[in-house]
Amino acid sequence: IVMTQSPDSLAVSLGERATINCKSSHSVLYSSNNKNYLAWYQQRPGQPPKLLIYWASTRQSGVPDRFSGSGSGTDFTLTISSLQAEDVAVYYCQHYYSTPWTFGQGTKVEVK
Amino acid sequence: EVQLVESGGGLVQPGGSLRLSCAASGFTFSNYWMHWVRQAPGKGLVWVSRIESDGRSTYYADSVKGRFTISRDNAKNTLYLQMNSLRAEDTAVYYCASTLGGYNPLDYWGQGTPVTVSS
Repeated sequence: IVMTQSPDSLAVSLGERATINCKSSHSVLYSSNNKNYLAWYQQRPGQPPKLLIYWASTRQSGVPDRFSGSGSGTDFTLTISSLQAEDVAVYYCQHYYSTPWTFGQGTKVEVK
Repeated sequence: EVQLVESGGGLVQPGGSLRLSCAASGFTFSNYWMHWVRQAPGKGLVWVSRIESDGRSTYYADSVKGRFTISRDNAKNTLYLQMNSLRAEDTAVYYCASTLGGYNPLDYWGQGTPVTVSS
C-alpha cells in the first residue's frame, strides 16, 4: 500500500488552520470492525516521531484537541485548528492494515 | 514511564555487520509487537522489520530481507536487529518502536541510534 501526502510542505500563520491530506493506494478500512488502520505522527526537529492520531480519528492521550483526524477508506485528513509555534514539525501518515506498514513521505509545517 | 533506549549504532564499512539493541522498560514488553523503523538523513520514515510478542513471527521490508534479522529476549526486555552485508543505502537513524499486540499504531518510540555505512 502506497501512502501519498499532500502538500509536501505548507506555511501557516500562527492561530490559523493547517490541513494535511493523505491518500492510500488501497482501502485501509477493515470491514469486519469498521476501523480505519491509519495513524498520524508528528516529528519535531531532532526528535523521534510521536503518535498523534490512530484509527484515523482517535487522539492519543495528551495530544491537544486542536489536532483532529478524519476520513475513511483511502482518503484522510489531519487538521490543526489553530497553529501554535510548537506545532512546527513534519507530519506523517502511516497505515497498519497489512504488512509492510508504510508511511507517507511527510508534510513539513512551518510558520508563515 | 515507558522507555525505549537504542544502542549499537556507529560507523561500519560496506559489507560489514552491526547489531542494534533496544532496551525496554515501563511496560509489559512480552505483550507488545516490536518494530524497527529507519530514517535516512533528511528523508522520511521507513518501516524495516517487525517481531510479534512471542518472537516466533517476523517480517521484513524487501530492502533488508535476507540481510537483517530481528529478534527479542523477553526475559531481558530487549529487542535486537542484526544487520549484515550493510550497504551505503542502509545509512540512517534506526528507531525501535512498540505496538500493543496486534495491528495497532506505533505508540512508543526510542530516541534512535545512527548507523553510517561508509568506507
